[in-house]
Amino acid sequence: DTEVTQTPKHLVMGMTNKKSLKCEQHMGHRAMYWYKQKAKKPPELMFVYSYEKLSINESVPSRFSPECPNSSLLNLHLHALQPEDSALYLCASSPLRASSYEQYFGPGTRLTVT
Amino acid sequence: AQRVTQPEKLLSVFKGAPVELKCNYSYSGSPELFWYVQYSRQRLQLLLRHISRESIKGFTADLNKGETSFHLKKPFAQEEDSAMYYCALSGPFSGGYNKLIFGAGTRLAVHP
Repeated sequence: DTEVTQTPKHLVMGMTNKKSLKCEQHMGHRAMYWYKQKAKKPPELMFVYSYEKLSINESVPSRFSPECPNSSLLNLHLHALQPEDSALYLCASSPLRASSYEQYFGPGTRLTVT
Repeated sequence: AQRVTQPEKLLSVFKGAPVELKCNYSYSGSPELFWYVQYSRQRLQLLLRHISRESIKGFTADLNKGETSFHLKKPFAQEEDSAMYYCALSGPFSGGYNKLIFGAGTRLAVHP
C-alpha cells in the first residue's frame, strides 16, 4: 500500500459539533503531518508528528486537537470550529531519513463549517 | 528566513509551446527542492525532486545554487499538464524535523 488515505472525503459541521478527521498510511513512514489548504492557496502546515510524538504545532488554535494513536494513524479532532476554518485538510507522511525529505499527501477532507 | 517565491500566479500557453515555471528560494544551508502538482480534484502529488535529476511527464528542473532557483521546464506543453504547480523546499530545520515550505503556486493553463 503506497497511499495515504483520509476519511471522510467531505464533512459539514456546525459550530457546536465535535467531529474527527482520520488519516492512515502503511508505508512505514514515521513522520505524519496535518495541513490546511484554502482555495487557490498552498498548504499551510498545522502539526507534525515524529515517532508518534507531537514535534511541531504551528500555533494552531486549541479547537484543533491532533492525535497519533500509532505509527499508521493520525487523527484531527475538531470542536467549536468557526466558519473561517472551512478548508481542505490534508494529511501527509514521510520517511524520517536524512537522505529524503519528500512528503506524500492524502486526498484531503473538505470541511465546511456552518 | 526560509522562503520560496513563485512569481507567476498564472501561466497560460498553447499546446506544443515550451513552458517554464519559475521558482526561487531563500535558505541558509543545503535544502532539498521539490515540485508538487495538484490536478483538478486530485491529491497533491510529488512531481520532481532535485536530488533525483529525473524527467517526469516530460518535465525537468535543475537546481541552480548560484541563482537560488529551481525552475520547472517542459519543451512541449500538453493540455493534460493544466494544473496547479507548487515549488517546495525542505531541509533539516532546528529540532531535526523536516518541514515543507511551499511557494504560492503557479496555475498552468494549456490551451488547444
